[in-house]
Amino acid sequence: AQSVTQLGSHVSVSEGALVLLRCNYSSSVPPYLFWYVQYPNQGLQLLLKYTSAATLVKGINGFEAEFKKSETSFHLTKPSAHMSDAAEYFCAVVLDTGRRALTFGSGTRLQVQP
Amino acid sequence: NAGVTQTPKFQVLKTGQSMTLQCAQDMNHNSMYWYRQDPGMGLRLIYYSASEGTTDKGEVPNGYNVSRLNKREFSLRLESAAPSQTSVYFCASSEVWNRAYEQYFGPGTRLTVT
Repeated sequence: AQSVTQLGSHVSVSEGALVLLRCNYSSSVPPYLFWYVQYPNQGLQLLLKYTSAATLVKGINGFEAEFKKSETSFHLTKPSAHMSDAAEYFCAVVLDTGRRALTFGSGTRLQVQP
Repeated sequence: NAGVTQTPKFQVLKTGQSMTLQCAQDMNHNSMYWYRQDPGMGLRLIYYSASEGTTDKGEVPNGYNVSRLNKREFSLRLESAAPSQTSVYFCASSEVWNRAYEQYFGPGTRLTVT
């Protein structure tokens, strides 16, 4: 069963427009949730994480995400897209706190049009 | 701090050849991981090592072996490469004590098996 679902494998926005990348998870335990960004030919970089302290989480580069337990969602937003935001974004969740491994969504490629 | 380093960056193998992917981290982390990344599938866990001296299978371990050489180093071996193992391989590490679960990734190894 899919544990992390990212809706939309490709999202295209205009520079200056709102960025919204969707992530839904299925977990029977309180989740640890993450968003990672991957620029072309690079490794993954942590954008932000939710660890039950606050439902609205602020990350680097102006991104933020809101944890909504009732909707089992952790959508990523940025008010105003910049050309440098073009990358692939991955939502991830820790399902097994014993081994601490991440389960990743399939990724969303963000294009920013000038 | 170099963070997580991986060698080689690129490799082409013929079917049946063997090779070892090397990973090292200088953050004094206890846990280390190997993932593979395939288009449209996100990252999938191959093996992980919760601490020095221990290793365990992840989601897709078939065709791979690992060695946790010491606290810093975690290698991934392909004994007899197959075209299905063409992928990008990422090593990651994380700390245990702070329960943050966030992982730090290396730059990846792009492997092609012909």
